[in-house]
Amino acid sequence: GENVEQHPSTLSVQEGDSAVIKCTYSDSASNYFPWYKQELGKGPQLIIDIRSNVGEKKDQRIAVTLNKTAKHFSLHITETQPEDSAVYFCAASRGGSYIPTFGRGTSLIVHP
Amino acid sequence: NAGVTQTPKFQVLKTGQSMTLQCAQDMNHNSMYWYRQDPGMGLRLIYYSASEGTTDKGEVPNGYNVSRLNKREFSLRLESAAPSQTSVYFCASTSGNQPQHFGDGTRLSIL
Repeated sequence: GENVEQHPSTLSVQEGDSAVIKCTYSDSASNYFPWYKQELGKGPQLIIDIRSNVGEKKDQRIAVTLNKTAKHFSLHITETQPEDSAVYFCAASRGGSYIPTFGRGTSLIVHP
Repeated sequence: NAGVTQTPKFQVLKTGQSMTLQCAQDMNHNSMYWYRQDPGMGLRLIYYSASEGTTDKGEVPNGYNVSRLNKREFSLRLESAAPSQTSVYFCASTSGNQPQHFGDGTRLSIL
């Protein structure tokens, strides 16, 4: 089955810095890669996603890159703000499978 | 625009008691899921329902049962609660190879 590894488990940055979270996956058939943000006391919410026919996707300060050959994808947050502090999860899935595989999460702390 | 609604939000049980966690979605999604989240363990899948009328075990099904009552509702039952089941439980739904939508969780403590 699919295995998703996520690093780092904790990331501490100063406000205004960039933050990068990396995930690797094992199943070359995986073709959908969402990123979720979980704020304290809430459920995970989708912030950006990418499919395997695209190498990069941006949405304001957030971008995701995908390297299918190396089987890894990354979340980039620029100009971080204190409200970006949360736990971030990556996931991988493929058509025909009902079960996405999640990484273990990264706790991002943005210091004002 | 409620999305995924979980009830209750908090619950304290004694060891051996039973309880049902409720989940309902209003997005006409085919698939529904139950996860538990423990510190440092990420999201672990307990059970899922790919479509109405079907349910399957996930990674950690022991001690739990589920019912897909209809397309909207998917409940999780603890027949005899144990302290190891103290956790935060999340319900999610989706259709096809699309992002999951999560509820805000049920925080369950078992004494």
